[in-house]
Amino acid sequence: GESVGLHLPTLSVQEGDNSIINCAYSNSASDYFIWYKQESGKGPQFIIDIRSNMDKRQGQRVTVLLNKTVKHLSLQIAATQPGDSAVYFCAEGSNYKLTFGKGTLLTVNP
Amino acid sequence: DSGVTQTPKHLITATGQRVTLRCSPRSGDLSVYWYQQSLDQGLQFLIQYYNGEERAKGNILERFSAQQFPDLHSELNLSSLELGDSALYFCASSENTGGRETQYFGPGTRLLVL
Repeated sequence: GESVGLHLPTLSVQEGDNSIINCAYSNSASDYFIWYKQESGKGPQFIIDIRSNMDKRQGQRVTVLLNKTVKHLSLQIAATQPGDSAVYFCAEGSNYKLTFGKGTLLTVNP
Repeated sequence: DSGVTQTPKHLITATGQRVTLRCSPRSGDLSVYWYQQSLDQGLQFLIQYYNGEERAKGNILERFSAQQFPDLHSELNLSSLELGDSALYFCASSENTGGRETQYFGPGTRLLVL
């Protein structure tokens, strides 16, 4: 069946370093992928998305990489800041719904 | 601010009671989605409405129901509440329907059942 999972439940980085958050998916029919950021006590916030006809997409300080061969998605955050501390979810889209992974907690140390 | 609003922000009630959670989607969005988030289950899809009609169902209990009104706001009704229903309930909206659209989330309603 469908599943979206994260390799690491927690990630701790130093301020200024680059962060990489990984996500595996199993539904080869998924063709839309989103990364969300959820700060404590708030709703998930859209960060960046990518469609399966692309393998890379860049935003402001963030890059999403999609490797369809191994069904892997990653979110790279450049020059990580304390404000980036949050839980990050990947989600895969196909047909009528998004399926969310459980999330990775990113902690940025000053 | 995503443009999606939810009320109330917090809700404390007792087992066996019934509550109603309200969501207003972003202006122009036709789809509304409801999710439950608990510590051990992550973000669980409950139900989707598109332009007033139920579009998709996820892991929604029979004690729970939802509807979308002509003005596109939505309500999630939770009845015969149990302790295990304590969770964050999020509403999200998207412009149309389908799993290939960005969903924008509201701030959530934190429900505590005592």
